[in-house]
Amino acid sequence: DTAVSQTPKYLVTQMGNDKSIKCEQNLGHDTMYWYKQDSKKFLKIMFSYNNKELIINETVPNRFSPKSPDKAHLNLHINSLELGDSAVYFCASSQVTGGTEAFFGQGTRLTVV
Amino acid sequence: KQEVTQIPAALSVPEGENLVLNCSFTDSAIYNLQWFRQDPGKGLTSLLLIQSSQREQTSGRLNASLDKSSGRSTLYIAASQPGDSATYLCAVRQGGSEKLVFGKGMKLTVNP
Repeated sequence: DTAVSQTPKYLVTQMGNDKSIKCEQNLGHDTMYWYKQDSKKFLKIMFSYNNKELIINETVPNRFSPKSPDKAHLNLHINSLELGDSAVYFCASSQVTGGTEAFFGQGTRLTVV
Repeated sequence: KQEVTQIPAALSVPEGENLVLNCSFTDSAIYNLQWFRQDPGKGLTSLLLIQSSQREQTSGRLNASLDKSSGRSTLYIAASQPGDSATYLCAVRQGGSEKLVFGKGMKLTVNP
């Protein structure tokens, strides 16, 4: 059973398109995240949701809109894709109360052409 | 602003060596620190989590220590194997925050 699963694993799309990445966790965690890993492999947080509520928004362009229909799901929608959006996007979850480990999905490699 | 540093950026060693990977952070007011492993093209695998009140954690051949006051953590890998080759990332959770701040990682290659 995959703890944090995200789809699709690969996404190739043209500039200007709109795309979504989905994430689900079956760990019962209360907090979910989106991280971006750039071409230099540096991981940086984009968003965090706690019980469906946005708690972190790290100066991400408003073309990126996260949506959390319930605490087990956090999707990322990206409008008007640009070349610079090409990266690997990771979903993660943790139980913040009690300070547990963060678990990461396998990543979605987005390539904008 | 919390900054996490991992030096060196890459390390290549022969099989069997005992290794020490270093992580330093600028703000000692952390909630916990987590070590991850990332294989090429894959996600992150959690290796060890150390709470701010702990000094070390062990899992198999891995031992992680934390010195919060000096802003340092080390990951010790005993008797390294080629299968240990991966990028190792250190991340800290700031007190009062839900986010993890990552270092840039250290790429380890263990040669047979």
